Amino acid sequence: EPEVTQTPSHQVTQMGQEVILRCVPISNHLYFYWYRQILGQKVEFLVSFYNNEISEKSEIFDDQFSVERPDGSNFTLKIRSTKLEDSAMYFCASSDQMNTEAFFGQGTRLTVV
Amino acid sequence: KQEVTQIPAALSVPEGENLVLNCSFTDSAIYNLQWFRQDPGKGLTSLLLIQSSQREQTSGRLNASLDKSSGRSTLYIAASQPGDSATYLCAVNSGNTGKLIFGQGTTLQVKP
Repeated sequence: EPEVTQTPSHQVTQMGQEVILRCVPISNHLYFYWYRQILGQKVEFLVSFYNNEISEKSEIFDDQFSVERPDGSNFTLKIRSTKLEDSAMYFCASSDQMNTEAFFGQGTRLTVV
Repeated sequence: KQEVTQIPAALSVPEGENLVLNCSFTDSAIYNLQWFRQDPGKGLTSLLLIQSSQREQTSGRLNASLDKSSGRSTLYIAASQPGDSATYLCAVNSGNTGKLIFGQGTTLQVKP
């Protein structure tokens, strides 16, 4: 069964460092998303991406964040200068249409120290 | 602004019981509503998707209903099993970009 794959599963980084979280969405999907979940809190939307551009972003997704689809299979989230409060589980998701079922990856747990 | 609330926050039941999880949303103009399961420290597994034009969806022992006008959805789990223990999240798609707004979740414990 097709699935969304995220790497790494866990990343520890020092405050101020850049991190890149990687995702391989389901191959025929066109809509891509990043969400995050701070421990004990709701899953929060970060950004949606379609047709090689951002279609919507939340207030959380400030200038420190960027997304890219560098080739036909990967979808990345970059945090330029990490802060302690960026520590969270980051989920990538994809769907084939805007209003169809979204499939989530297993997440990357980011710990900023 | 769409807000999603789930009640109860936690639920503990003996094995074999039928149970209902509740989800409410403030803006009835939605495309669809999706129920997910999350095991501790793990990702989100999609359980059921209900489109705005549908009233319910079924998958095995799970049945989800949607009353868009009242801003409510329920997830019914029949004959609960210890393996059903997890956090159940509902999420609403009400924008035109596929963005999901999540509830806080209901943490279910099914005791053998």
